[in-house]
Amino acid sequence: EVHLVESGGGLVHPGGSLRLACAASGFTSSSFWMSWVRQAPGKGLEWAAHINPDGGDKYYVDSVKGRFTISRDNAENSLLLQMSGLRGEDTAVYYCVAWGQLDNYWGQGTLVTVSS
Amino acid sequence: DVVMTQSPLSLPVTLGQAASISCRSSQSLVNTDGDTCLMWLQQRPGQSPRRLIYKVSNRDSGVPDRFSGSGSGTDFTLKIGRVEAEDVGIYYCMQHAHWPHTFGQGTKLEIK
Repeated sequence: EVHLVESGGGLVHPGGSLRLACAASGFTSSSFWMSWVRQAPGKGLEWAAHINPDGGDKYYVDSVKGRFTISRDNAENSLLLQMSGLRGEDTAVYYCVAWGQLDNYWGQGTLVTVSS
Repeated sequence: DVVMTQSPLSLPVTLGQAASISCRSSQSLVNTDGDTCLMWLQQRPGQSPRRLIYKVSNRDSGVPDRFSGSGSGTDFTLKIGRVEAEDVGIYYCMQHAHWPHTFGQGTKLEIK
């Protein structure tokens, strides 16, 4: 059975840092593009960061460029998101997503709250 | 950025009736391989999103055949043949032809 399990969310002060992790199991995650998609409370979906299967290509939405870093460890079947300089507008549920041609998997999400 | 515009944003439907959601993009979603990079996702209340349709009209595994996608270029439609109670939720179109990938605002389907 496929699982994507996010961890690392929590409450952080503005300007602080957090590191999100996503553990993949039940499929060969090293063959998939992986993303972090976020959803602010009561709002729609926003693509935050994206990484290709070998980790060589990374893309970020403008609002997180220079502050967030996406990475992956295919040996460990994991996806990471290092977040720094956090702002109130970064408050959201962060979903780990695996994108395949025929398959698409979403985690249950982890809530990041940026507040003083 | 490519703007994805969905309509309607609210869709009250009677059980058993058909429903249709429109999605328009501000640019063509055809990539260099000739694929049209448009997908539809469903988010049921309290759940993570899941993909229903990819490349305009291909249903994901396990998606009932009452869901169908169509369209081309910049104009796309998701149709639900006969709405069931389990279809309640928010539907998003999403383009992945251009970075950043962008979503529509979401269409909230509810039962009348």
